[in-house]
Amino acid sequence: AQSVSQHNHHVILSEAASLELGCNYSYGGTVNLFWYVQYPGQHLQLLLKYFSGDPLVKGIKGFEAEFIKSKFSFNLRKPSVQWSDTAEYFCAVNAKAAGNKLTFGGGTRVLVKP
Amino acid sequence: GAGVSQSPSNKVTEKGKDVELRCDPISGHTALYWYRQSLGQGLEFLIYFQGNSAPDKSGLPSDRFSAERTGGSVSTLTIQRTQQEDSAVYLCASSLVRYNDYGYTFGSGTRLTVV
Repeated sequence: AQSVSQHNHHVILSEAASLELGCNYSYGGTVNLFWYVQYPGQHLQLLLKYFSGDPLVKGIKGFEAEFIKSKFSFNLRKPSVQWSDTAEYFCAVNAKAAGNKLTFGGGTRVLVKP
Repeated sequence: GAGVSQSPSNKVTEKGKDVELRCDPISGHTALYWYRQSLGQGLEFLIYFQGNSAPDKSGLPSDRFSAERTGGSVSTLTIQRTQQEDSAVYLCASSLVRYNDYGYTFGSGTRLTVV
């Protein structure tokens, strides 16, 4: 069974639309949560991360994510996307229950139409 | 260097040949990961090194794959008798494992093409 799930594989939207990408994980206990982005032809970059504290995390480029422990979720949001947000987005979880290795979801390809 | 360095950036090899992929992590980072990213796929975990502990090899897809990390720094991923399905981008990442400070930095990857 997949330990980190991203249910949307492809998302197409227009500029200025709002974006929400789902991420669910199956580990119990202490987790650290990440969203990475991979722009076309580039390497993975960290968007934001959650370790503890405020469950609403602000990242770069106007992205934010909310950790909901009861739902084992860490969804990524952006209120108004730009064409330059076209990329593939990966959720990742580092869980003590999994030996602290970083496990990625399958990724979501986002295409923003100008 | 300032980042994670991988070499070569591109490798084309014939089916059946062995290949070695190299990763230079950020100095002082004790954790090192190898992932594989195939076309249209997500990131597949291969192997994880953490300090002097035994590596987590649970993601290696077959016994043709092996990896070493010498002196807690440079790592080499070796694929023996390459097959066409081994074609992918192989990514390395390193992190300074401290409680509440998991900063994972990825290299640019090695694009392996088996022909």
